[in-house]
Amino acid sequence: SQKIEQNSEALNIQEGKTATLTCNYTNYSPAYLQWYRQDPGRGPVFLLLIRENEKEKRKERLKVTFDTTLKQSLFHITASQPADSATYLCALEGASGYSTLTFGKGTMLLVSP
Amino acid sequence: ETGVTQSPTHLIKTRGQQVTLRCSSQSGHNTVSWYQQALGQGPQFIFQYYREEENGRGNFPPRFSGLQFPNYSSELNVNALELDDSALYLCASSAPSGATDTQYFGPGTRLTVL
Repeated sequence: SQKIEQNSEALNIQEGKTATLTCNYTNYSPAYLQWYRQDPGRGPVFLLLIRENEKEKRKERLKVTFDTTLKQSLFHITASQPADSATYLCALEGASGYSTLTFGKGTMLLVSP
Repeated sequence: ETGVTQSPTHLIKTRGQQVTLRCSSQSGHNTVSWYQQALGQGPQFIFQYYREEENGRGNFPPRFSGLQFPNYSSELNVNALELDDSALYLCASSAPSGATDTQYFGPGTRLTVL
């Protein structure tokens, strides 16, 4: 069955460092991969989308890579800030004709001052 | 803020009861998707509505049903509530443009079943 795995342990880093979150998937051929941020008790907020034929995408301090051979995406936040503390969700979307997302469980990021 | 609103914000029901959750999509969006998010889990796709028709369904039983109205707002109905239905219910709207669609989530409705 389709499976999406994200680091289950919270990631603790110091302010100013680069945070790297991992998303691995099996039994899936996504056309697109998306990353969302979710704060406690709130809905997910879209951050970045990367297509299967793209290797890397950047937006301000965020960078996403997508390796369809390894079936893995890495999400980087450079110069991290305490305000970046949240849960980050990886979501896969197939080319099914309608857009629905299959989410991982998310990784909690804690950035300490 | 995404412009997607959901009501109510919190709800407490007892097992066996029925519940209706509501969602107003972002202006210009004709597609609404519903997700269930249990504590510590990622959102799970329930179903999607496009122009008032169901356009895809996840692995949820028929007691989960929905509607979309001409103004593209939507309802999620759950009958015969079970304890495991306790979760955050998220609505997301999008405007299909052929390739892929960023989904804009509302704040969710927290449902507790006792």
